Amino acid sequence: GDSVTQMEGPVTLSEEAFLTINCTYTATGYPSLFWYVQYPGEGLQLLLKATKADDKGSNKGFEATYRKETTSFHLEKGSVQVSDSAVYFCALSEDRDDKIIFGKGTRLHILP
Amino acid sequence: ETGVTQSPTHLIKTRGQQVTLRCSSQSGHNTVSWYQQALGQGPQFIFQYYREEENGRGNFPPRFSGLQFPNYSSELNVNALELDDSALYLCASSLPGIGYGYTFGSGTRLTVV
Repeated sequence: GDSVTQMEGPVTLSEEAFLTINCTYTATGYPSLFWYVQYPGEGLQLLLKATKADDKGSNKGFEATYRKETTSFHLEKGSVQVSDSAVYFCALSEDRDDKIIFGKGTRLHILP
Repeated sequence: ETGVTQSPTHLIKTRGQQVTLRCSSQSGHNTVSWYQQALGQGPQFIFQYYREEENGRGNFPPRFSGLQFPNYSSELNVNALELDDSALYLCASSLPGIGYGYTFGSGTRLTVV
């Protein structure tokens, strides 16, 4: 079945460092790909999305490119801030009305 | 425009009891999904409702059931609670159309003792 694998956390970085969180997926069709963020004590917020191969999703300085050839959707940010500390989930959906399949999440700690 | 709201925010139940969790979807959203997020894990799909009908179900037993009402709000009911049902339960709604992600509520933290 469909699945999402993302790098284990926690990831600890200093402020202004470059961030990469790796994500790969397995899907039978052509899924839409998402990154969600969960701040402490809150629900999930959609961070960015891409719906077809070579699309780049971006938001708040984060970006990820849908790579069909490597089945990847790695999250990157050039300069992280303390406020970026959260848990990040990579996810896919085969169809807008279908379920979302999430990875296990990567906890990110940014040190001042 | 209000987002997705869930109630209650926290709940403690005893094993064997029944629980009902509630969700008000974002205005204009006609699809509601429920997810279970165990501690340290990603959310797992329970089921989805579209226009008051169940429209897909994950690998959860029948004691997990749901309803969607004409105003698109929804309930999740869990019977015969087990200790492993302790989790954060998230409700998500979506707009009609292609390619949208879901809007999630802040969740209900259920503890079964």
